[in-house]
Amino acid sequence: GENVEQHPSTLSVQEGDSAVIKCTYSDSASNYFPWYKQELGKGPQLIIDIRSNVGEKKDQRIAVTLNKTAKHFSLHITETQPEDSAVYFCAASSLLGANNLFFGTGTRLTVIP
Amino acid sequence: SAVISQKPSRDICQRGTSLTIQCQVDSQVTMMFWYRQQPGQSLTLIATANQGSEATYESGFVIDKFPISRPNLTFSTLTVSNMSPEDSSIYLCSVGQNNQPQHFGDGTRLSIL
Repeated sequence: GENVEQHPSTLSVQEGDSAVIKCTYSDSASNYFPWYKQELGKGPQLIIDIRSNVGEKKDQRIAVTLNKTAKHFSLHITETQPEDSAVYFCAASSLLGANNLFFGTGTRLTVIP
Repeated sequence: SAVISQKPSRDICQRGTSLTIQCQVDSQVTMMFWYRQQPGQSLTLIATANQGSEATYESGFVIDKFPISRPNLTFSTLTVSNMSPEDSSIYLCSVGQNNQPQHFGDGTRLSIL
């Protein structure tokens, strides 16, 4: 089955700096890679996703890059703000929506004002 | 995206008892999933709730321990049976449609004494 590794487990940045979280996956059949943000007491919220036919996707301060050959993908957050503080999970799936999501172990991001 | 409501939001239960968690969606969805998130951990899929038929369980999860119902396209329940302290977790419902991302409810925080 799929194995998703995520690094780092914790990350602290100064407000305004950038944050990068990296994930690797093992199953070459995976073709859909979402990122979720989980705030305390809440469920995971989808913040951005990418399919394997695209190398990069950007939404305002958030971007995701995918290297299918190397089987890794990354989340980039620029101009970080205190409200970006949360736990971020990457995931991989072989079928968008209607299939199991294999989650990484999570990254606790703290943005220091 | 669909609005997903889970009840209860949290509970404290005695060992040996059972608790049924409800997941209600405001629109018909193709797929409904149940995940477990142990304290400080990532998300693990328990099962896919199939409308009108038995749920599909992942390795390590069995129907006797986690019976699931899905009577229609907007509602599902997960029961945690004969609970022990090891069952203390957040239980999350998610929904998905073909070619659409999965979205999560806010979860049920369960503590077993």
